[in-house]
Amino acid sequence: DAGVIQSPRHEVTEMGQEVTLRCKPISGHNSLFWYRQTMMRGLELLIYFNNNVPIDDSGMPEDRFSAKMPNASFSTLKIQPSEPRDSAVYFCASSLAGTGEYEQYFGPGTRLTVT
Amino acid sequence: GEDVEQSLFLSVREGDSSVINCTYTDSSSTYLYWYKQEPGAGLQLLTYIFSNMDMKQDQRLTVLLNKKDKHLSLRIADTQTGDSAIYFCAERTGGYQKVTFGTGTKLQVIP
Repeated sequence: DAGVIQSPRHEVTEMGQEVTLRCKPISGHNSLFWYRQTMMRGLELLIYFNNNVPIDDSGMPEDRFSAKMPNASFSTLKIQPSEPRDSAVYFCASSLAGTGEYEQYFGPGTRLTVT
Repeated sequence: GEDVEQSLFLSVREGDSSVINCTYTDSSSTYLYWYKQEPGAGLQLLTYIFSNMDMKQDQRLTVLLNKKDKHLSLRIADTQTGDSAIYFCAERTGGYQKVTFGTGTKLQVIP
């Protein structure tokens, strides 16, 4: 398996632009997580899905952030409009619920820079 | 609520043992995890321990759990330069899949 795939790996955009981050989870996994990592705040859970349904979005910073999972093999995280404080590394992770230890498999991340 | 804390930095000499500590607040934790993050990469699960255990050993890694003090530690024996990374402690509570991660400890191994 190729693991969790994220695109793009790097994104540089100007303030006010729309940004869309993409994630393909591991085939067969039924849970998907979006995290944001910064030096100041560490690793923050933004939202997670189970069987394509959003379960907990309490970590989404504000209305500028939205996430979708239209099917089991694809998810997007959208920021509109983007702001410099959104600059961070965004990770997607997937897991298979029901396996006991619920290991999360992380993608390589998308480094977002908003100027 | 859940809160997981770790020291930010640890420096050791190659060949020595490393001990990374973590404290958590939620007494209903079911699984506790150690993840490793190498530069430019995502997190990768190193090992985990179920809350009814107090120790788990896996090759060079030893995990100790003190439920009374809500303290978790990761010992790496014979630390190598390839062990240089950020180590995250994490906990899962109840039947939920949500995992709360600590702040991460950056381990620097000096040759």
